This record gives sequence, structure tokens and C-alpha cells, in this order.
Amino acid sequence: AQSVSQHNHHVILSEAASLELGCNYSYGGTVNLFWYVQYPGQHLQLLLKYFSGDPLVKGIKGFEAEFIKSKFSFNLRKPSVQWSDTAEYFCAVNAGSSASKIIFGSGTRLSIRP
Amino acid sequence: GAVVSQHPSRVICKSGTSVKIECRSLDFQATTMFWYRQFPKQSLMLMATSNEGSKATYEQGVEKDKFLINHASLTLSTLTVTSAHPEDSSFYICSARDQAGRKSGYTFGSGTRLTVV
Repeated sequence: AQSVSQHNHHVILSEAASLELGCNYSYGGTVNLFWYVQYPGQHLQLLLKYFSGDPLVKGIKGFEAEFIKSKFSFNLRKPSVQWSDTAEYFCAVNAGSSASKIIFGSGTRLSIRP
Repeated sequence: GAVVSQHPSRVICKSGTSVKIECRSLDFQATTMFWYRQFPKQSLMLMATSNEGSKATYEQGVEKDKFLINHASLTLSTLTVTSAHPEDSSFYICSARDQAGRKSGYTFGSGTRLTVV
């Protein structure tokens, strides 16, 4: 069965700092990978997704993620964070089938100091 | 883009009553929808996979007689929390994916905050 691990439970950064949130998954077959963001009091929004092709994926709001198959990782990065990036970030994976379920990591809370 | 509408956004009910939550895909068809539960400051836990025209597939530990799922059409799935108790209070979220073959991500509804008093 697939699973997702997010090692950072809570990350605190100052504005303009660089960000990298870790995500590792376990599944032996083809996977689709996602990063979602949940701003305080709001619902989930898709930041970016990887299905195939270029392993470096660019998403909205300056976020990007790199799929490293050999490491089973899909870390999220942003070169310079803003206070408005304060949110909960969820990595998710599904087994590559259009009908297969999507499994979420435990989430990483990002707090940005102004 | 794909939109999933979830209704109601908030509901308060008395212990012992049942509550129905609707999840609609507004501009696409979804043969499969997913229901999640999110406790405060925790991740989304998949409860069940809703399959159009057939029985839902429940995750281990989820009571199918308590959380009734009906997926009667390609655009609507409902979750009914039967005989609700305070411990059922949570944030319930549905999601769906366009089955038309486009490589889109899963679209999530805005969630339903259920409070059982």
C-alpha cells in the first residue's frame, strides 16, 4: 500500500528565507504526486502536481518540487517565502490510476515571521 | 477549471440525528469521488471511495453502516452520518477527479464542518 511521510511537522522561517519541505513516499509502481496548501480557515488548493515528464515541476505562487525517483522523494521548494505563505502544506500520492485513491502525508505547518 | 461543490459548509446537529452532506462536480463527470475526514490540526484521512452505480469502498476502521455513501449519478455523491455522536464532529471533505482523461489533479470541495451537540 502506498504511504507518504512528511518529516517536518512545523517549520518557522523569516520572510525572504528559502524553503524546502520534505516528502517521501512508498510505492513500487508508477505514482502521481501532489502538493496541496491549506491556508488558515480555507479549503485545500493544489500547488503543483507531477504525472510524468520533467521531474522538476513548477506550480503556483513561485513553488516548485522535484521528483527524485531513486529517493522516492518529492520535496517542495520556494526560493524566497512571504508572510502570506503561512499555511499547512500536504504532500499526497496516488498509484497512477485515474480511479485510485489519493493518500496524504501528515502535513507541515509553515509559519513565516514578518 | 474543475469545481467541486460541497454542501452544507457548516452543520450543527443533535446527538442521535443523521446528517447528509452533498458533493457535486459542477463542470465534469466523476465516476469516482473520495470522502475524507480532517481533525483539527491533522491531515486528511481517507474514509471511503465512492463509486458511481456501485457500493462504496471503505477504508479499514471506517464503519460503513455509520457513514452511508450514495453515488447515484456521475456528478453527485452523498455522505450521511447516521446517529451522529459528538465524536463524529469533524471536518468532512470530498474530492473528485475529472475522468475525461485530462491529466488534472484531484479537486476538493470546500468541506463541511460538522458539530454534534
